[in-house]
Amino acid sequence: NAGVTQTPKFQVLKTGQSMTLQCAQDMNHEYMSWYRQDPGMGLRLIHYSVGAGITDQGEVPNGYNVSRSTTEDFPLRLLSAAPSQTSVYFCASSGRDRGWYGYTFGSGTRLTVV
Amino acid sequence: GESVGLHLPTLSVQEGDNSIINCAYSNSASDYFIWYKQESGKGPQFIIDIRSNMDKRQGQRVTVLLNKTVKHLSLQIAATQPGDSAVYFCADALSGNTPLVFGKGTRLSVIA
Repeated sequence: NAGVTQTPKFQVLKTGQSMTLQCAQDMNHEYMSWYRQDPGMGLRLIHYSVGAGITDQGEVPNGYNVSRSTTEDFPLRLLSAAPSQTSVYFCASSGRDRGWYGYTFGSGTRLTVV
Repeated sequence: GESVGLHLPTLSVQEGDNSIINCAYSNSASDYFIWYKQESGKGPQFIIDIRSNMDKRQGQRVTVLLNKTVKHLSLQIAATQPGDSAVYFCADALSGNTPLVFGKGTRLSVIA
């Protein structure tokens, strides 16, 4: 089925470890973004990309890196995990087919840093 | 900076009644407003959107109202059903391809 695929669904990290959250979409969407969701905080934008080779910072970019080498993939890297990065991470994409703001979200990655 | 928020964190309604979820936004330059629904354990799902040049837009059982004078947005759900139980987020964006800014969400509980 067409959509946004996030892996893994669950992950536990130790403080200081690094890892990459994967995000892939098969809708040929130009726009992709990463949000984190914490209780009572809603969704906060980490990084976004308007096309391959182009990325930009959102509201809470510190501690995260992204790259966009292809249209389909937009991985999020945690350089040195901290307990404050315990959260649910959502990847979203959009394109001209649904209007720029008709985001399609993945099902999320629940990350716990101990 | 811009912020989007909600007046009520929780809302309980009887099945069959109409629901109204409210949202305030702070950036008068925002051009695009959108509502998302998030069910437990899932990612947000698009419900309905409205541009700043409109006051009202209707979908299937849902209506979004925009009052630019007081920077207020609302989502009306007609004949609320148990399947409508979820967290609802409003979001806004400036004109152009800028990222959406989400509010904190309102939890809607439908009482059977």
